Amino acid sequence: EIVLTQSPGTLSLSPGERVTLSCRASQSVSSNYLGWHQQKPGQAPRLLIFGASSRATGIPDRFSGSGSGTDFTLTITRLEPEDFAVYYCQQYGSSPYTFGQGTKLEIK
Amino acid sequence: EVQLVESGGGLVQPGGSLRLSCVASGFTFSSYAMTWVRQAPGRGLDWVSLISGSGSSTYYADSVKGRFTIFRDNSKNTLYLQMNSLRAEDTALYYCAKIAGGVVAAIPDYWGQGTLVTVSS
Repeated sequence: EIVLTQSPGTLSLSPGERVTLSCRASQSVSSNYLGWHQQKPGQAPRLLIFGASSRATGIPDRFSGSGSGTDFTLTITRLEPEDFAVYYCQQYGSSPYTFGQGTKLEIK
Repeated sequence: EVQLVESGGGLVQPGGSLRLSCVASGFTFSSYAMTWVRQAPGRGLDWVSLISGSGSSTYYADSVKGRFTIFRDNSKNTLYLQMNSLRAEDTALYYCAKIAGGVVAAIPDYWGQGTLVTVSS
């Protein structure tokens, strides 16, 4: 089973700032099958990024993903108020299709 | 518009059973793999199970293997999760999600709103 470790656990930032979230895998993720999901309180998750760096339909270009192998990042260039949420990475290269524990972005 | 509506959650005693359903619309259901993901109260996302579009291939997390069964009825555009021998640690909001393609690149691209399962005496 691939274990995904996200860091940091919580980030306190202000709107307009740039942020980079990290997701590290315990072993190489097959074909860079790594995605990022955003979840706001009381809502279902929403897919942001798939294939490590491809934006899902309708996702603003301030969101970008990068990385390969075992190290992946999600970058938000200018935080908007609606971006404060919890972000989860997920690997879908091999079953079980594990999630990271999440990074919470909170308003400073 | 893709819509996924889960139902079947509720309160069940330890050792009991429950069947969850997820009715899909807005896409050709049989062409896509589907998955169940759960979230315990205040916790993160936990992948549970996945099924291919035809239903011929299924995958499970070790924590539910042998107790849960995923299946689908493509004639009814409905996904199911049969949960047996339930434990307190199965208490969670269970989400149904559509997979972007097949089982090879199994990323969920649309999620339902979830149905709550509570296992308690």
